[in-house]
Amino acid sequence: SQKIEQNSEALNIQEGKTATLTCNYTNYSPAYLQWYRQDPGRGPVFLLLIRENEKEKRKERLKVTFDTTLKQSLFHITASQPADSATYLCALAPRAGNNRKLIWGLGTSLAVNP
Amino acid sequence: DVKVTQSSRYLVKRTGEKVFLECVQDMDHENMFWYRQDPGLGLRLIYFSYDVKMKEKGDIPEGYSVSREKKERFSLILESASTNQTSMYLCASTSPYEQYFGPGTRLTVT
Repeated sequence: SQKIEQNSEALNIQEGKTATLTCNYTNYSPAYLQWYRQDPGRGPVFLLLIRENEKEKRKERLKVTFDTTLKQSLFHITASQPADSATYLCALAPRAGNNRKLIWGLGTSLAVNP
Repeated sequence: DVKVTQSSRYLVKRTGEKVFLECVQDMDHENMFWYRQDPGLGLRLIYFSYDVKMKEKGDIPEGYSVSREKKERFSLILESASTNQTSMYLCASTSPYEQYFGPGTRLTVT
């Protein structure tokens, strides 16, 4: 079956360290993959998009990698801060069909401790 | 900045009531979406619309309908609310790939 998986366990790290979150998928050919941040009781906020022909994307302290051979995307937050504590969602757009319809992971909760 | 607004942050309705959830975006986006989000189930697509008066079913359309009479407005209708429709409802629009979400409506059906 087709699915997209993120670490179900919460990630706890110390302030200043790099947080790395994983998104794995099976049985999809993605056109692109996106990462979102969601705070409790709020809608997700778009962070980064990476296309199938891109290996890496950066935005300030954020970095996303995309390995279509491993069927995996990694999301890194460098020099993490307590304000980075949130749930992070990955979302994949399949190449087939209407690629505006995203396939969502369940999210990984990140806690950055001061 | 893109702005997506939803008509209510919190809503409490009784079983059997007809419920309207409104979503408005101010950036002339063609695509709009309605999701519900439940613990352990993540974001699930109910309906989406790719143009005025155009709609397509998502993964869980049963018990819901939608209306898009104007480009900026996308309404979700619960024809006869049931307790299993208690959830967080999120509206989004796309530009053209990243989705911009509204603040959400937490609906409780008693």
